[in-house]
Amino acid sequence: DAGVIQSPRHEVTEMGQEVTLRCKPISGHNSLFWYRQTMMRGLELLIYFNNNVPIDDSGMPEDRFSAKMPNASFSTLKIQPSEPRDSAVYFCASRRGRGTEAFFGQGTRLTVV
Amino acid sequence: TQLLEQSPQFLSIQEGENLTVYCNSSSVFSSLQWYRQEPGEGPVLLVTVVTGGEVKKLKRLTFQFGDARKDSSLHITAAQPGDTGLYLCAGGNDYKLSFGAGTTVTVRA
Repeated sequence: DAGVIQSPRHEVTEMGQEVTLRCKPISGHNSLFWYRQTMMRGLELLIYFNNNVPIDDSGMPEDRFSAKMPNASFSTLKIQPSEPRDSAVYFCASRRGRGTEAFFGQGTRLTVV
Repeated sequence: TQLLEQSPQFLSIQEGENLTVYCNSSSVFSSLQWYRQEPGEGPVLLVTVVTGGEVKKLKRLTFQFGDARKDSSLHITAAQPGDTGLYLCAGGNDYKLSFGAGTTVTVRA
């Protein structure tokens, strides 16, 4: 398996634009997580899905953020409109079940100018 | 507010020295994991502990899970420059997995 695949690796956008981050989890993994990492706040859990269903989105900072998982092999995180304070590295991770290893993608470095 | 508190935030030591990183929480976890992250990459799992009081060894790394399953420590013996990285603890109940802010470890040659 190729591991968790995220795209794009880097995104630079202007304030106010819509940004869509994509993730393909490892086949057979039932849980998918979206995290945001910054120097100030560390690795924050934004939302997680189990069997394609959003379980907890309490970490999503504002209504400008939304996430979907239309099927077991694809998830998106959308920011609309984007703001400079959204600049961070966004990670997607998946795992087989509770207590098992979480596998991370290489992240998307987002810069909003 | 971090559910998992890690200390220290930064640690710089000389090659050959020992170090300990701590992870504390007011919550009880069914399992606790330690990950290491290198620049430009996602975190990679080092170990999972599930039983209170459990001790696991991975070469020069020793992991301990507190009796009450609220805290954990990572001890590195005779650190090497290759141990440099960001060490993260992660705890979860049910399907959730939350991370501490991490400890940045630098081992000088």
